[in-house]
Amino acid sequence: ETGVTQTPRHLVMGMTNKKSLKCEQHLGHNAMYWYKQSAKKPLELMFVYNFKEQTENNSVPSRFSPECPNSSHLFLHLHTLQPEDSALYLCASSQDPSGIGEQYFGPGTRLTVT
Amino acid sequence: AQTVTQSQPEMSVQEAETVTLSCTYDTSESDYYLFWYKQPPSRQMILVIRQEAYKQQNATENRFSVNFQKAAKSFSLKISDSQLGDAAMYFCAYRTAETSGSRLTFGEGTQLTVNP
Repeated sequence: ETGVTQTPRHLVMGMTNKKSLKCEQHLGHNAMYWYKQSAKKPLELMFVYNFKEQTENNSVPSRFSPECPNSSHLFLHLHTLQPEDSALYLCASSQDPSGIGEQYFGPGTRLTVT
Repeated sequence: AQTVTQSQPEMSVQEAETVTLSCTYDTSESDYYLFWYKQPPSRQMILVIRQEAYKQQNATENRFSVNFQKAAKSFSLKISDSQLGDAAMYFCAYRTAETSGSRLTFGEGTQLTVNP
């Protein structure tokens, strides 16, 4: 248990559905991240939020829409996804985005797009 | 842009033996951080060990140690006295030391099997 929780753990959705992934950290951290983990590929950073402000968008398609209402919560809103978006989506947090503080990861949401 | 390469997709080791996982990286920066993360079947990724590039001394954490060769841009992980619970996917990661940098760049991972 790393102090970062994600819900749901598994999600199956059709290409026309709208769903949201939720991440919550109980560590008092100031930075939060979304990563995509596909089979046989390195983890891909999607978004970075520092103090609720988005500081990085790694050329992510607009069908993925992040939201960070406060430093403890991070959402990833999904709409009109494609089958190739099926992957494990990991959330992470760190104390200070500029320090050496490690990133703490959640257990991930396994997303399947049908 | 920085890249991280793990050339061993899979490794196996006998319980109680020692195994070394390889990682190389490419960067033009002189100051940065390197990490090894472990992702067991439960999928929760946890930090195993980290190294600050300006420190010459290799980091150690109990049975885990690294061999950091800055000139060669190599950062291998050695697991001593391997245990069944060490079985997992291991990821090497790089992070700049610049104050504005928080991005972790990961390698493709090495799947470690521990045989009883």
